[in-house]
Amino acid sequence: EIVMTQSPATLSVSPGERATLSCRASESISTNLVWYQQKPGQAPRVLIYGASLRASGIPDKFSGSGSGTDFTLTISSLQSEDLATYYCQQYTTWPPLYTFGPGTKVDI
Amino acid sequence: QIQLQQWGAGLLKPSETLSLTCSVHGGSFSGLYWAWIRQPPGKTLEWVGEINQNGNTNYNPSLKSRVAIFLDTSKTQFSLTLRSVNATDTATYYCARLGRTYGKYYFDSWGQGTPVTVSS
Repeated sequence: EIVMTQSPATLSVSPGERATLSCRASESISTNLVWYQQKPGQAPRVLIYGASLRASGIPDKFSGSGSGTDFTLTISSLQSEDLATYYCQQYTTWPPLYTFGPGTKVDI
Repeated sequence: QIQLQQWGAGLLKPSETLSLTCSVHGGSFSGLYWAWIRQPPGKTLEWVGEINQNGNTNYNPSLKSRVAIFLDTSKTQFSLTLRSVNATDTATYYCARLGRTYGKYYFDSWGQGTPVTVSS
């Protein structure tokens, strides 16, 4: 089973700063990597799929990069509404299995 | 825009069966797969399983012996049952749609979540 790790566990940033979140897979997953944002008390929302493609309606302040085992989510010019936990998720198509990382909590 | 609305019992005793239903509104039910995902309090998300419009299912191996997902296309609903629950099944359960763009998959629509507590 592919294990996902994320760092840091918590990231404290000031408004207007850039945040860089990391996600690592225990083996290569090509670009089968998704990033979600989850605010307290809400369901997750997809931000990035295919490692670097922004989902519909997601502002360009969110960007993703990477392939293989190492991935990055960058959030430029952080604002208070970006306070959330961010999860990466990988998938294998056969057999189907979707696994999530432990998350990075972003504090503003 | 598609919306998922879910419901079910929120308090169970150990050994009982969890039962949740998710209704799909505002879009075609002929999506790729329809999934259940759970999140224990303060922890990360765990994929439980999925079903497509033809009734084909895939389950997380860690839960496969206890879980079943089935659908009612006439009502555009799909349901989750999890047998013999215990305290480790305490979580918020989400239904979600698996979407695909440019050959890449992702959960693009989510239900509001149903908190389920297993306690004697």
